[in-house]
Amino acid sequence: GENVEQHPSTLSVQEGDSAVIKCTYSDSASNYFPWYKQELGKRPQLIIDIRSNVGEKKDQRIAVTLNKTAKHFSLHITETQPEDSAVYFCAASILSGGSYIPTFGRGTSLIVHP
Amino acid sequence: GAGVSQTPSNKVTEKGKYVELRCDPISGHTALYWYRQSLGQGPEFLIYFQGTGAADDSGLPNDRFFAVRPEGSVSTLKIQRTERGDSAVYLCASSLGGREDTQYFGPGTRLTVL
Repeated sequence: GENVEQHPSTLSVQEGDSAVIKCTYSDSASNYFPWYKQELGKRPQLIIDIRSNVGEKKDQRIAVTLNKTAKHFSLHITETQPEDSAVYFCAASILSGGSYIPTFGRGTSLIVHP
Repeated sequence: GAGVSQTPSNKVTEKGKYVELRCDPISGHTALYWYRQSLGQGPEFLIYFQGTGAADDSGLPNDRFFAVRPEGSVSTLKIQRTERGDSAVYLCASSLGGREDTQYFGPGTRLTVL
């Protein structure tokens, strides 16, 4: 099955700095890659996603890049703010039964210091 | 509108007991997913329903776990002969269905097996 590695496990930055979270996956059949933000005690929320036919996608301060050949994808957050502090999960998804089924990474705890 | 809801929010049970966890998806969402999230880990896929049928149950860890969605809306995850290792947050998500749709997560049920 799919295996997703996510690094770093913890990332501490100063407000205004950039943050980068990296993930690798093992199954070349994965072709949908969502990123979720989970605040403490809250539900995961989708913040951005990318599909295999696209190399990069940007939404305001958040961007994702995908390298299918190397099987890795990254989340970039610019101009970080304290409210960006949360756990971020990457996922690599394979089409099964008509839907994309995600395998999640172990998460990155992002701490933004004011 | 109302999001995905799950009941109960917390469930404490004794080893060997039977438990049922309920998920109410967003109205009109045909796809429903169950995940398990252990402390410090990403969500782990258990089962996916498209309508009333389980389209992919490859994530169910063993035959103690079973899920139903008899009318294509509410779903119940059933765990027999609970073990301490079953302790986790059980998350439910729903989507409109099909390949392109975002999964919206519920708040989860925290299951503790003593």
